[in-house]
Amino acid sequence: DAGITQSPRHKVTETGTPVTLRCHQTENHRYMYWYRQDPGHGLRLIHYSYGVKDTDKGEVSDGYSVSRSKTEDFLLTLESATSSQTSVYFCAISESVRTGHNEKLFFGSGTQLSVL
Amino acid sequence: AQSVTQLDSHVSVSEGTPVLLRCNYSSSYSPSLFWYVQHPNKGLQLLLKYTSAATLVKGINGFEAEFKKSETSFHLTKPSAHMSDAAEYFCVVSGGNTPLVFGKGTRLSVIA
Repeated sequence: DAGITQSPRHKVTETGTPVTLRCHQTENHRYMYWYRQDPGHGLRLIHYSYGVKDTDKGEVSDGYSVSRSKTEDFLLTLESATSSQTSVYFCAISESVRTGHNEKLFFGSGTQLSVL
Repeated sequence: AQSVTQLDSHVSVSEGTPVLLRCNYSSSYSPSLFWYVQHPNKGLQLLLKYTSAATLVKGINGFEAEFKKSETSFHLTKPSAHMSDAAEYFCVVSGGNTPLVFGKGTRLSVIA
């Protein structure tokens, strides 16, 4: 299995508080992604990174920010959590060496976030 | 732009019978197509990948998918379902310089 660790695995927080989720990889892959998974919606891309300090928005980026200061770490921050952000969050990595995103993804085990 | 439609949100089959999970795609580019599987409380795992080499793609655990450009389809099949196949399956499309786009998923139930 690819070396991807998400932390924490479970988080319960209150509306309005900041939350940071961490994704750590040991594969030295260039691309890293944050997805959220909700029933009936499949996986939706929040943000992604194509290198250190290089990030871009995905389909559902509002209310989220990311940072990547090292190749191995990709942080997802909810500046002020809302109940609509209750979800399962997955980190994924890809070893794309071309400009495209068409290489396969390796997924972490997910973080279950509940915002009360 | 890319999009993918999984035509069934839930499919139920008996153990030992064939599995068919349907996927249609739309892409402005020559697409790459994937099927991923997610077992309960797990992350996603790649089943198979199409990247324009052969139209019939074989994956892990006896699954295969056929790329049909004329029908813009990439349906997933397996000749004989096993109880361990019960999971959520996602069809995924990629093309150009854009991230992968996931379908909404098909939940496969296998009845003993």
